[in-house]
Amino acid sequence: GQNIDQPTEMTATEGAIVQINCTYQTSGFNGLFWYQQHAGEAPTFLSYNVLDGLEEKGRFSSFLSRSKGYSYLLLKELQMKDSASYLCAALYNQGGKLIFGQGTELSVKP
Amino acid sequence: DTGVSQDPRHKITKRGQNVTFRCDPISEHNRLYWYRQTLGQGPEFLTYFQNEAQLEKSRLLSDRFSAERPKGSFSTLEIQRTEQGDSAMYLCASSDREKNIQYFGAGTRLSVL
Repeated sequence: GQNIDQPTEMTATEGAIVQINCTYQTSGFNGLFWYQQHAGEAPTFLSYNVLDGLEEKGRFSSFLSRSKGYSYLLLKELQMKDSASYLCAALYNQGGKLIFGQGTELSVKP
Repeated sequence: DTGVSQDPRHKITKRGQNVTFRCDPISEHNRLYWYRQTLGQGPEFLTYFQNEAQLEKSRLLSDRFSAERPKGSFSTLEIQRTEQGDSAMYLCASSDREKNIQYFGAGTRLSVL
């Protein structure tokens, strides 16, 4: 199978930093995506990692280690509006489909 | 609005009825995907097209489900003889073949009574 594992839920404080981890199976792996999804809305694209390393985009950064089958999404200077589900998804075997994890429900508290 | 468009946004139907959903992708995108999402879960792949060709269909997909993309632009997803277990959010996404980034529409929420 191509299980994508991420924590079900996390809680953090406004202004803090939070790291959401994701592990995936490495065989046939081609790339790792992070999406943000507010309740009742469409997933919105955050990041796409193909090579090892950290990619920074404003308050959000994403890291990938291909050999370890591991990624994380780092959110800095948390805001209340960051409360959402964060979806990790992997692309395999040059195919177009994404395999999603169940999502991590992040709650940002004042 | 140049994003992915889905219609209708909500559909309530009775068990046994047929339903059809429409997706209009971002105009320059040649790949179009359908996913299904239930509460508390990530999206689950159903099928995808490159232009008008259906390249992959999930093995989990019942033969009651069919999708078309006749002219390589918009797509329709039909569910025949709906069951209560079909209740879910049906998401459409599109991508440019080279960039691989999938952009999602707002989805169609199906409730089967």
